[in-house]
Amino acid sequence: DAGITQSPRYKITETGRQVTLMCHQTWSHSYMFWYRQDLGHGLRLIYYSAAADITDKGEVPDGYVVSRSKTENFPLTLESATRSQTSVYFCASSESRTTVQYFGPGTRLLVL
Amino acid sequence: QKEVEQNSGPLSVPEGAIASLNCTYSDRVSQSFFWYRQYSGKSPELIMSIYSNGDKEDGRFTAQLNKASQYVSLLIRDSQPSDSATYLCAVRSGSEKLVFGKGMKLTVNP
Repeated sequence: DAGITQSPRYKITETGRQVTLMCHQTWSHSYMFWYRQDLGHGLRLIYYSAAADITDKGEVPDGYVVSRSKTENFPLTLESATRSQTSVYFCASSESRTTVQYFGPGTRLLVL
Repeated sequence: QKEVEQNSGPLSVPEGAIASLNCTYSDRVSQSFFWYRQYSGKSPELIMSIYSNGDKEDGRFTAQLNKASQYVSLLIRDSQPSDSATYLCAVRSGSEKLVFGKGMKLTVNP
C-alpha cells in the first residue's frame, strides 16, 4: 500500500527554470492539496483540488500552476522558479472535504 | 484572516513527565481540530483529531477542546524521548482547507 508519494524527493534548480513536482496517491481520495513549509511560516496552502479537473487557490498561489487530469495525480509546476520558492513542498490528500488529510513525504526544493 | 496560534516554544520536559501543548484559534465557527506530529526532516503525521468539546484520549495522548474559549490542547503523558518532535495544531472552519499553527518543538530529555 503505497499511499501518497512525491517525486522527486530533492531538487536543485536555477532561477527562471520550470520545475514540476509530482504527487500520486493510491487511495482514490477526492481531495488533494499542495503546501509549502518554511521556517517562521509553518505550513501554507498553495493549491487544492476537490476532484479531477477541479482546482482552487490557497493562501499562496502566485508563481504556481496545478492540474488534475486524473484523480490519483496532482502535479505542481513552478513556471519560472524564484529563490523565494526554495522550500519544502508537501502534498496531502483526504477522502472528503471533512476528513483527515494525510501527507506525502515531501520534496525539498532549492532554487539557486 | 483565520489564524491559529501556538506558543513558539521550544518546550523541554524530562522523560516520564506530562507535556502540555496549547493552541488558540480565531474563527468561532471552527469545527474540526487536529494535532500532527512532525519529526525533523519528515512529513506531518496525524496523532489526534477532535470535533466536540471535552477530552479525547488515545493511549498516552489526550486532546482537549474548549470552543467557548477557542482553545485546543494536547497532553502527552509519560513523555518518551521518541515524542521529541514538532507538534502542529490544525483547524478546519467549514471548508476543506486546514489552517496550521507554526508548530511547537518538544524535546523530551532522558
